[in-house]
Amino acid sequence: KDQVFQPSTVASSEGAVVEIFCNHSVSNAYNFFWYLHFPGCAPRLLVKGSKPSQQGRYNMTYERFSSSLLILQVREADAAVYYCACNQAGTALIFGKGTTLSVSS
Amino acid sequence: GAVVSQHPSWVICKSGTSVKIECRSLDFQATTMFWYRQFPKQSLMLMATSNEGSKATYEQGVEKDKFLINHASLTLSTLTVTSAHPEDSSFYICSTGTGGEQYFGPGTRLTVT
Repeated sequence: KDQVFQPSTVASSEGAVVEIFCNHSVSNAYNFFWYLHFPGCAPRLLVKGSKPSQQGRYNMTYERFSSSLLILQVREADAAVYYCACNQAGTALIFGKGTTLSVSS
Repeated sequence: GAVVSQHPSWVICKSGTSVKIECRSLDFQATTMFWYRQFPKQSLMLMATSNEGSKATYEQGVEKDKFLINHASLTLSTLTVTSAHPEDSSFYICSTGTGGEQYFGPGTRLTVT
């Protein structure tokens, strides 16, 4: 079955580097997508691709079936749900169940 | 990226009534739109794929007669929840896109009493 797996929760302290891991069992899926989701708002794409990439404080590692989202210098305002997703070309994204990030000061 | 809007942003309805949710692509010709549902503390789950000018395709376990989808133009797809029940209370969100990237609407919170 095509699925995406990620931890349900991750805890961090302000200023640290947070890593959220994701892996999938989706056949013929080569791209990872990392979204930030605040409840009641549209999910926002942070970083994506089929190779390691960076957008501001967000880094994405890449392996064929796994990826990690690294958030640099994490802040309390980064506390939210982070979704990992992947897809086969031309089809809808398959999302993981989301990782709730908590940040302590 | 594309701008996607949804209307209404939230709605409360009585059990047995029908509710229509609109998803508009404001600056992108959306041949395909996707409808997701998110129950509290659960992941976004794909319900159906809406194709402009043709019938939608539904994911396993989603009743097509209950969740009516119309995609009559390249900028508008509608999801109608018919004979709504309290268990249909959820966050409904649409998206569109191309090249593997999806642009999401802000979602609609449906509460059925």
